Amino acid sequence: QQQVKQSPQSLIVQKGGISIINCAYENTAFDYFPWYQQFPGKGPALLIAIRPDVSEKKEGRFTISFNKSAKQFSLHIMDSQPGDSATYFCAACPYGQNFVFGPGTRLSVLP
Amino acid sequence: EAQVTQNPRYLITVTGKKLTVTCSQNMNHEYMSWYRQDPGLGLRQIYYSMNVEVTDKGDVPEGYKVSRKEKRNFPLILESPSPNQTSLYFCASHRASFPDTQYFGPGTRLTVL
Repeated sequence: QQQVKQSPQSLIVQKGGISIINCAYENTAFDYFPWYQQFPGKGPALLIAIRPDVSEKKEGRFTISFNKSAKQFSLHIMDSQPGDSATYFCAACPYGQNFVFGPGTRLSVLP
Repeated sequence: EAQVTQNPRYLITVTGKKLTVTCSQNMNHEYMSWYRQDPGLGLRQIYYSMNVEVTDKGDVPEGYKVSRKEKRNFPLILESPSPNQTSLYFCASHRASFPDTQYFGPGTRLTVL
């Protein structure tokens, strides 16, 4: 029940295209859903996050879509750039405590 | 500058030789965690601490110990390391009830021969 599933494992997108990564969870106690971006040799860094009281959140080229009834959320990267090439992790957190992470998606944006 | 520091960044050791990885944060965060990152498995929580002298097991605690004697420090101890503990380790901290304040350290790559 603690698991967060994430797909795809890897993703190759052309520059200017849309990157979409999907996650699913089971635990209804989760109330915070962040996405982290990790570059090689660095720690993960918070990219964007959403609470379950809204269905979508947009920050620049990054959008989270959230479907509470389906227990799914996704990250959309519009106009993908080579600098977006990184590993992306979705996560879920109940009541500001323990984070549960998905297995990650390695995104490559081709120039 | 807000940061989480870890030392050492790289460590190669042998089976059974006790080691400690230090973690320190300068943001006065109550909550600190240790994760290990393995290919295809993402980040898995080892131990966490909600405040000084309060620690608890995460998802993969076997073979690890932690302590939280000061708010800023949260060392990870491997008393008898084994090869299956070869991994990339991250320390993180955040304000209690404010998960959007989570910062990660730069990571420690551990190899146990």
